[in-house]
Amino acid sequence: NAGVTQTPKFRVLKTGQSMTLLCAQDMNHEYMYWYRQDPGMGLRLIHYSVGEGTTAKGEVPDGYNVSRLKKQNFLLGLESAAPSQTSVYFCASSYAEKLFFGSGTQLSVL
Amino acid sequence: RKEVEQDPGPFNVPEGATVAFNCTYSNSASQSFFWYRQDCRKEPKLLMSVYSSGNEDGRFTAQLNRASQYISLLIRDSKLSDSATYLCVVRQRGSTLGRLYFGRGTQLTVWP
Repeated sequence: NAGVTQTPKFRVLKTGQSMTLLCAQDMNHEYMYWYRQDPGMGLRLIHYSVGEGTTAKGEVPDGYNVSRLKKQNFLLGLESAAPSQTSVYFCASSYAEKLFFGSGTQLSVL
Repeated sequence: RKEVEQDPGPFNVPEGATVAFNCTYSNSASQSFFWYRQDCRKEPKLLMSVYSSGNEDGRFTAQLNRASQYISLLIRDSKLSDSATYLCVVRQRGSTLGRLYFGRGTQLTVWP
């Protein structure tokens, strides 16, 4: 009964460091997303994927890259972290317009 | 102008009260509407979809007004466990299936 699993749950980076957030879903969903949530801003879409091997930009894609090599996994990469990327990141998958979220990653960039 | 606007609150109500939230959307071509619930430091979870004719799920009632471009959520007989942030979510007709727009959320606190 895993659903959507995100790793890691917490991470602290220094400016300029790189990292990858992993999202895995076991519901065989085609659509997957990465959102960030900041106080007073709500959820904003970073990138999304409509199927294995495809990705597309969302509202705030700059500074992030993604890959969907396998249907069940959606990776979010930060090549050179900046303090403005301090946020809570949520991965989600969807079926019939309904989103299923992972438990989130709290990322701090110092 | 944001695609989806919500009153951020906070709404503070006693147990047993009735409380209503509104949400407005800017694109008249919006097609699908939802309310999600998010507990503090947790992920959002689907509360209910909103249908054109309005729909009810226990103590929760959702309404859609296409002419005025808003949706509402009514909670009757509030419980302490209803304390959360409620997110209004909209999909625009023609957008990628599953591409959803989120409001900033309305915070509700129910006190004993």
